[in-house]
Amino acid sequence: GENVEQHPSTLSVQEGDSAVIKCTYSDSASNYFPWYKQELGKRPQLIIDIRSNVGEKKDQRIAVTLNKTAKHFSLHITETQPEDSAVYFCAASFILTGGGNKLTFGTGTQLKVEL
Amino acid sequence: DAGITQSPRHKVTETGTPVTLRCHQTENHRYMYWYRQDPGHGLRLIHYSYGVKDTDKGEVSDGYSVSRSKTEDFLLTLESATSSQTSVYFCAIQLRESSDTQYFGPGTRLTVL
Repeated sequence: GENVEQHPSTLSVQEGDSAVIKCTYSDSASNYFPWYKQELGKRPQLIIDIRSNVGEKKDQRIAVTLNKTAKHFSLHITETQPEDSAVYFCAASFILTGGGNKLTFGTGTQLKVEL
Repeated sequence: DAGITQSPRHKVTETGTPVTLRCHQTENHRYMYWYRQDPGHGLRLIHYSYGVKDTDKGEVSDGYSVSRSKTEDFLLTLESATSSQTSVYFCAIQLRESSDTQYFGPGTRLTVL
């Protein structure tokens, strides 16, 4: 089955610096790659996603890049702020029998933005 | 919040007892999912549903069963709870058939003593 590896597991940056989180996936059939942010005790919230026909997508301070050949994708956060502190999960998706899609998640990155 | 609720939000139970968790959605979405979240494992798919009475297993389905007798409710049952099933359980829905995007419910924290 699909395997998603995520690095680093913890990341500490100074406010205003950039943060980069990287993920690799194993199944070349995966075609959708979302990123979720999860604050302590809360549900995962989708922050950005990318599909396999696109190499890069940007939304204000966050961007995601995808390299299908190398099977890796990355989350970039610029001008980090204290409210960016959270756990970030990457995921890779493929189509399930009967429709719908299965998300395989990475193990998460704890991002801490220090003042 | 995509109209998803989960109940109960917290539950403590004893080993060997049956437990049912409920996921309720108000917007007629076809696809629903149950995940569990454990430290060091991210979220893992337990079961999913692609319509009323249409369900299938995910990657960690042992010890769990599901039912979907109406569109709005997706039930997850632990027939005989074990301590290894202590976890946070999230339900998710897929907003549109043409979209891969999944949105999560608020979660249920289950502790099996």
